[in-house]
Amino acid sequence: EPEVTQTPSHQVTQMGQEVILRCVPISNHLYFYWYRQILGQKVEFLVSFYNNEISEKSEIFDDQFSVERPDGSNFTLKIRSTKLEDSAMYFCASREVEQYFGPGTRLTVT
Amino acid sequence: KQEVTQIPAALSVPEGENLVLNCSFTDSAIYNLQWFRQDPGKGLTSLLLIQSSQREQTSGRLNASLDKSSGRSTLYIAASQPGDSATYLCAVMDLMDTGRRALTFGSGTRLQVQP
Repeated sequence: EPEVTQTPSHQVTQMGQEVILRCVPISNHLYFYWYRQILGQKVEFLVSFYNNEISEKSEIFDDQFSVERPDGSNFTLKIRSTKLEDSAMYFCASREVEQYFGPGTRLTVT
Repeated sequence: KQEVTQIPAALSVPEGENLVLNCSFTDSAIYNLQWFRQDPGKGLTSLLLIQSSQREQTSGRLNASLDKSSGRSTLYIAASQPGDSATYLCAVMDLMDTGRRALTFGSGTRLQVQP
């Protein structure tokens, strides 16, 4: 069964560093998403991507964040100048109708 | 702005019991609603998707209903098993949000099924 994959599963970085989280969506899906979940809190929408461009972004998704689809399979989230409060699980999702989520990347900023 | 609420926040039941998890949302103009399962420290597994035109969906021991006009959905789990222990999340996709079609999540119900 097709699935969304994410790498790495866990990333530890120092405050101020840049990180790139990677996702491989399900191959025939056209809509891609990033969500995050801070420990103990709700899953929150960050950004949606369709037809090689951002279709919408939340108020969380400021200039610190960017997304890219560098080739036909990968979908990346870049976080520049990381802060302690960026520590969270980051989930990638893709869909035709139903959204399928990847296993997540646990980002720890120290 | 859509708000999704799930009640109860936590539930502990003995094995074999039938149970109901509740989800409510403030804006009834939704495109669809999904129920997910999340195990500790893990990703989200989609359980059921209900389109706005549907009243219920079933998968095995799971049955989800949708009453769009009242802004409610329930997830019914029959004959619960210890393996059902997880957090169950409800999420809605708004109808008017055609640009992003992102999901708005509830806080979840943490279910513990005692053997």
